[in-house]
Formats: sequence, structure tokens, C-alpha cells
Amino acid sequence: QSALTQPASVSGSPGQSITISCTGTSSDVGGYNYVSWYQHHPGKAPKMLIYDVSTRPSGVSDRFSGSKSGNTASLTVSGLQAEDEADYYCSSYRITNTIVFGGGTKLTVL
Amino acid sequence: EVHLVESGGGLVQPGGSLRLSCAASGFTFTAYSMDWARQAPGKGLEWVSYITSSSNRIYYADSVKGRFTISRDNAKNSLYLHMNNLRDEDTAVYFCGRGLQYGMDVWGQGITVTVSS
Repeated sequence: QSALTQPASVSGSPGQSITISCTGTSSDVGGYNYVSWYQHHPGKAPKMLIYDVSTRPSGVSDRFSGSKSGNTASLTVSGLQAEDEADYYCSSYRITNTIVFGGGTKLTVL
Repeated sequence: EVHLVESGGGLVQPGGSLRLSCAASGFTFTAYSMDWARQAPGKGLEWVSYITSSSNRIYYADSVKGRFTISRDNAKNSLYLHMNNLRDEDTAVYFCGRGLQYGMDVWGQGITVTVSS
């Protein structure tokens, strides 16, 4: 099961906005609106930021937003803060009745 | 407060077996699907298995199909992962998660499984 494609790393300065892409195929990202995004600080439990492409769970800051175009989903983090430095993962339902994660993106706040 | 706590991890030899448990509290367990995911050392997250609230649909990643079995006991608010024929590449931190639209909206802290001789 090949993973979804994410950039290995992105960076930005405090207050700036960054976008992380997540590219799949028509069998996963492009074919279903079951895309989720997670923030993971190593050693802690991952935290869901987005589900259903663009819906934020209760309690998640509106600085995090999601979107999708074709086979590529995106997570935008606006107003970067030091505590946003973490690993970010996308996931999607796939036509084979499986769920697939992206390879992960390390966000560095400069 | 919603809480998931994994247990049952440890060191096991290749070819051995282990059963992970996940105790749920703070929500109506019977209303949610549940998942297992894992993270191998230095690697990213990998989804492992999914089970619906009534256990009528169960899915597995190809990497564990035929070796791992997911199950749940709704009377005990518990989720399980039975792992057989373990391989070195199954070494990872295993997380249980509450299902939401094929995502996981609540995660446990994780439990370490080490497969080594």
C-alpha cells in the first residue's frame, strides 16, 4: 500500500502562513471526501486537526484549514506559532477498504 | 474526559504473538468505530486496522492481513489487536484511536511493541 505523497519538510516564520500538500490518486484523495490531517509532536498522541477534507473538530484552532483539488489535499496553517512546530500527516480512505497515511511533513518554525 | 489507554505491549521474539488492549472511557464506546495505527522507529504513521461499532465490518492493511486480528468487547469498552507471527518490521509504537469519518479523532498515548531475538 503506497503512502500518500507529502513534502518532507516545510518552514515558515512566526505569523506567516504555510501550506502542506498531500497527493494521492482517484482511488483515495480524489475519489472520496474522507481526508484527515493530524499534528504529531514526537512522544505524544497525534491530534486530529481536520476531517472530511475541511472540517475542524471541536476545539481545534481556526488557524488550521483544509481543502482539496483533484487528487491533492492541502493543509494551511496561518499565523504560525512556535508551538506549531511538529510533524503533520494526512490520511485518506482508499477504494480497497483501507486507510492510507501520507509520509509526513516536518514543520519548522524559524 | 474522553480517554484511550493502550496496554499489552512488550518484547517478543520473531514468530511470536502478543495481544494489545485499548481501554476506552468518557464516551459511548458502542457509538464509534475504532482503529489501530502504528509508528515504527524513525518512520511515519501507518494505519493498521479498522472495526465498526458492531464489528460487522473489519479492514486490515496488507502488511498485517492474515496475521493480525482486531476485535472489541462493547460490554467492557475495550478494543483489542491480536498479533500473530510477528516480524521485525512490526516493531513500532501502536496507537488505538476513536473513529471519525475514516479518521481518528481521539488517540491513545501509544504502547511499544518490540520484535527481536
